[in-house]
Amino acid sequence: DIVMTQSPDSLAVSLGERATINCKSSPSVLYRTNNNNYLAWYQQKPGQPPKLLIYWASTRESGVPDRFSGSGSGTDFTLTISSLQAEDVAVYYCQQYYSTPYTFGQGTRLEIK
Amino acid sequence: QVQLVQSGAEVKKPGASVQVSCKTSEYTFADYYIHWVRQAPGQGLEWMGWIDPNIGDTDYAQKFQGRVTMTRDTSITTAYMDLSRLRSDDTAVYYCARGHGESGAFDIWGQGTKVTVSS
Repeated sequence: DIVMTQSPDSLAVSLGERATINCKSSPSVLYRTNNNNYLAWYQQKPGQPPKLLIYWASTRESGVPDRFSGSGSGTDFTLTISSLQAEDVAVYYCQQYYSTPYTFGQGTRLEIK
Repeated sequence: QVQLVQSGAEVKKPGASVQVSCKTSEYTFADYYIHWVRQAPGQGLEWMGWIDPNIGDTDYAQKFQGRVTMTRDTSITTAYMDLSRLRSDDTAVYYCARGHGESGAFDIWGQGTKVTVSS
């Protein structure tokens, strides 16, 4: 199984500041035939289902604010929120959909400092 | 808009079975996989498996092999997840989610169904 490890487990950032969440996969989730990274990011607020933010590691889902961006390739990935808003308080998960069983990171809790 | 609406909360005794339904609407049911994901209280997300609504093929996480069955009824665009021989550690919120047409990530999620297993 592909293991997904996020860091940090929790993060407190001031409003308007940048938030960065890291995700490492073992092994790689880069499919060399099409050069796509099979990596997604989700946001989950309390009492709600997860919401897809980013797929292919860096493609923003329709309707997602452009302050959210994803980067990385192979085994190391980053979700960045460029200017934190109050509504961004949530738990964020990375997920690989390279091979089954699809696996998620343990989650990163983002709070306001 | 595209929606996945799940059945209501369930309370079951250990050893029993549960079925969760996922009614889809406003898209072509056969064109997108349905995945099932669960979340134990205060815990992270765990993928259970998928079903291809077009032909009924399934792929289950090894952890659930022999206990989970995923089916669908194309006439009512509904997917089902049956979990048998329930244990207390099956207590969780169970989600269905649609496989994203372009990538395979999960783009639309049901609201979740809370399943409590308790004697």
